[in-house]
Amino acid sequence: DIQMTQSPSSLSASVGDRVTITCRASQSISSYLNWYQQKPGKAPKLLIYAASSLQSGVPSRFSGSGSGTDFTLTISSLQPEDFATYYCQQSYSTPPTFGQGTRLEIK
Amino acid sequence: QVQLQESGPGLVKPSQTLSLTCTVSGGSISSGGYYWSWIRQHPGKGLEWIGYIYYSGSTYYNPSLKSRVTISVDTSKNQFSLKLSSVTAADTAVYYCARGDYYDSSGYFFDYWGQGTLVTVSS
Repeated sequence: DIQMTQSPSSLSASVGDRVTITCRASQSISSYLNWYQQKPGKAPKLLIYAASSLQSGVPSRFSGSGSGTDFTLTISSLQPEDFATYYCQQSYSTPPTFGQGTRLEIK
Repeated sequence: QVQLQESGPGLVKPSQTLSLTCTVSGGSISSGGYYWSWIRQHPGKGLEWIGYIYYSGSTYYNPSLKSRVTISVDTSKNQFSLKLSSVTAADTAVYYCARGDYYDSSGYFFDYWGQGTLVTVSS
């Protein structure tokens, strides 16, 4: 299985901050990388697919980049509703695997 | 708008079989093109993909669970189901059903999810 490692595991930031979360794959996954947002008690929500494509309805302050083994999710200006846990997921090979999550907290 | 809803017992005894059903509304499983998945999340932990089924009945399971997992589909009811046998406390988790959609020949994402259901394994 391909292992996905996110950093940091948790992050404190303020409204209006620019935030970057990193995801690293244990082998090259081309651009087959998705990002999800999960709020407490809720299902994950798809934000970004194919490393950099914004899912319909997702605010443009979210962006993704990377290819191969290293990927980033950037939130350009944090909003109060963005405080949540973020997961990356690879679809290069089956089984699909997720990162351990990055918890974004209010400073 | 596609919606998924999990249902099933919230408490299962050790060594027994966990059974859950996902009912899909707002779209037909038999229309094809999507891979209907089960994903679980241990309390306070990350996400683990269990397996998927296509409307034709073809399946793929996570090798780590393959010996205990069966996923089936009932297109007449627009439902798909999960059975996980010989459960232990380690199978206590929130179980989600989700729709997998391919955006190219290899890449796919999970775009619609159920709300999740907590299954506790305990005597």
